[in-house]
Amino acid sequence: EVQLVESGGGLVQPGGSLRLSCAASGFTFSSYAMNWVRQAPGKGLEWVSVISADGGSTNYADSVKGRFTIFRDNSMNTLYLRVSSLRADDTAIFYCAKGLFTSRWGDYFDYWGQGTLVTVSS
Amino acid sequence: EIVLTQSPATLSLSPGERATLSCRASQSVGIYLAWYQQKPGQAPRLLIYDASNRATGIPARFSGSGSGTDLTLTISSLEPEDFAVYFCQQRSSWPWTFGQGTKVEIK
Repeated sequence: EVQLVESGGGLVQPGGSLRLSCAASGFTFSSYAMNWVRQAPGKGLEWVSVISADGGSTNYADSVKGRFTIFRDNSMNTLYLRVSSLRADDTAIFYCAKGLFTSRWGDYFDYWGQGTLVTVSS
Repeated sequence: EIVLTQSPATLSLSPGERATLSCRASQSVGIYLAWYQQKPGQAPRLLIYDASNRATGIPARFSGSGSGTDLTLTISSLEPEDFAVYFCQQRSSWPWTFGQGTKVEIK
């Protein structure tokens, strides 16, 4: 059974940083691109970032480029997102999501974690 | 960036009725569109990908159609567990984007 378990969220002051983690199991982690998708409270979904299966390629939404960094450790089956220079409008549930295809970018999201809440407030 | 506009915002229907949800793109997405279902307090679930392919384990009452700028999700006969919010998502061009969602509520 595929499982994705996020952690690392919490309350952080504007300008602060966090490292989010996503522990994966139940599939060959190193074969799939992985993503972060966020959802502000009561709002819609926003794709944030993707990393290729081997970790060699990444892409970001313009809203987070230069502030967030996605990376992965295939030996530990874990995905990460380093979030920094946080702003109030970054407040959201952050989901990790597995790519559907074993293509470079996965393209769609077939399994999601339960999410970790990041709250940016002074 | 491709903007996806979903309509209607809310659809009020009774169990057993047919639901038709629209996703209109600001430019062509070809067939590169997915549909997700989200229930309160839960993560989204993939229903349809590449416009018309059902994801693993998705019941046949869910179907997707269309291409280009006008795509549709149809639920042929609503079950009680289908009342939820539905999002479309395109992967035709960066950045990948989602529609704002359609809420299917019980009438």
